[in-house]
Amino acid sequence: QVQLVESGGGVVEPGTSLRLSCAASGFTFSTYAMHWVRQAPGKGLEWVAVISSVGTETYYADSEKGRFTISRDNSKNTLYLQMNSLRAEDTAIYYCARDPYPGYGDYFDYWGQGTLVTVSS
Amino acid sequence: DIVMTQSPDSLAVSLGERATINCKSSQTVFHSSNSKNYLAWYQQKPGQPPKLLLYWASTRESGVPVRFSGSGSGTDFTLTISSLQAEDVAVYYCQQYYSSPLTFGQGTRLEIK
Repeated sequence: QVQLVESGGGVVEPGTSLRLSCAASGFTFSTYAMHWVRQAPGKGLEWVAVISSVGTETYYADSEKGRFTISRDNSKNTLYLQMNSLRAEDTAIYYCARDPYPGYGDYFDYWGQGTLVTVSS
Repeated sequence: DIVMTQSPDSLAVSLGERATINCKSSQTVFHSSNSKNYLAWYQQKPGQPPKLLLYWASTRESGVPVRFSGSGSGTDFTLTISSLQAEDVAVYYCQQYYSSPLTFGQGTRLEIK
């Protein structure tokens, strides 16, 4: 069965960096685009970034452009999100989610349980 | 960016009754090239990640009960739960994938009356 397991969250100070990981199993990881979606405490869902199945194309929400980098290692079945210059407003649960297609910019058919990132001094 | 607006923000319905949630997009999400509406619906229960219910506005994801249905086209969409069950208590979100950035509605909280 499809499994997505995020890790790497924690409490960090403003201005610092953090790298999230998402380990995928139960499907052929290299044939699906993958996304990061976040949810601030008690708030709604916000799309963060997407990467195509082979990693050649990436797209970001405007608020993250230049600070966040999505990447993947298909040999390790792992998705990453490098987050730099973190701000208090980046505090959220970060979910990795599978796109049902190899391209990008679709809906999300499987979600991980999420990893909490708290940015606070 | 396409803005997605859901109504109402919260809804209380009796068990066995129909629940209806609306979603309006700021511009069309209908692609004439394939006659598809690029609209999905998700259910999120407390402490859980979202779960895909419907895509292409009305196609039910595998395993989703038939009481969940979607309708609408262009800019106006509806999620209907035909006979509310206790396990349907959740927050429901619509999402457009017509254009980047992908955007969600603000969510509708569904409770039992």
